[in-house]
Amino acid sequence: ILNVEQSPQSLHVQEGDSTNFTCSFPSSNFYALHWYRWETAKSPEALFVMTLNGDEKKKGRISATLNTKEGYSYLYIKGSQPEDSATYLCAFDSYGQNFVFGPGTRLSVLP
Amino acid sequence: DAGITQSPRHKVTETGTPVTLRCHQTENHRYMYWYRQDPGHGLRLIHYSYGVKDTDKGEVSDGYSVSRSKTEDFLLTLESATSSQTSVYFCAISESQDSDTQYFGPGTRLTVL
Repeated sequence: ILNVEQSPQSLHVQEGDSTNFTCSFPSSNFYALHWYRWETAKSPEALFVMTLNGDEKKKGRISATLNTKEGYSYLYIKGSQPEDSATYLCAFDSYGQNFVFGPGTRLSVLP
Repeated sequence: DAGITQSPRHKVTETGTPVTLRCHQTENHRYMYWYRQDPGHGLRLIHYSYGVKDTDKGEVSDGYSVSRSKTEDFLLTLESATSSQTSVYFCAISESQDSDTQYFGPGTRLTVL
């Protein structure tokens, strides 16, 4: 079983703070890295699909970077808002294999 | 939103009873997946399907079976439910396996007493 880790497990920030968290994955047999946003009582929604080393993706105040050689991806949120409160999941996608999800980082943005 | 529905959305059952959860899609996607979500574990794959009548096991398949007789429907069956199968179950779909986004259904909360 492949090991995908996310840190921190949870964090609380004040509205307006910027924050970031990490997804660590195996550096071999990489195909893609997916980020999902998962609000409480809803289903996970896709944020980014990242495939190339050095990839940077951005959607509004959320951005992500990818380092496939060392096996990590960072997700950044600039100027956090209460509506950003959610669990952020990463999923490691390797050739011919199914996704392996990390345990998630639970973000709470306090007004 | 991808057209994925799950039924039932909530179910309470007793240990030893059979339970079937249904996932229905209107997107005509080839791949369908069943995951369970438990605290501290994120999403873990139970079974998946890569076409009608084509299924395979995932990471946590013990105690579960699946069937896919039509493109749009993927059924998850607990032959004899146990308390350890209390969880939230999510269905997902994708067009292909590699590098393709998976779209998730709304989830089914199952409680086994």
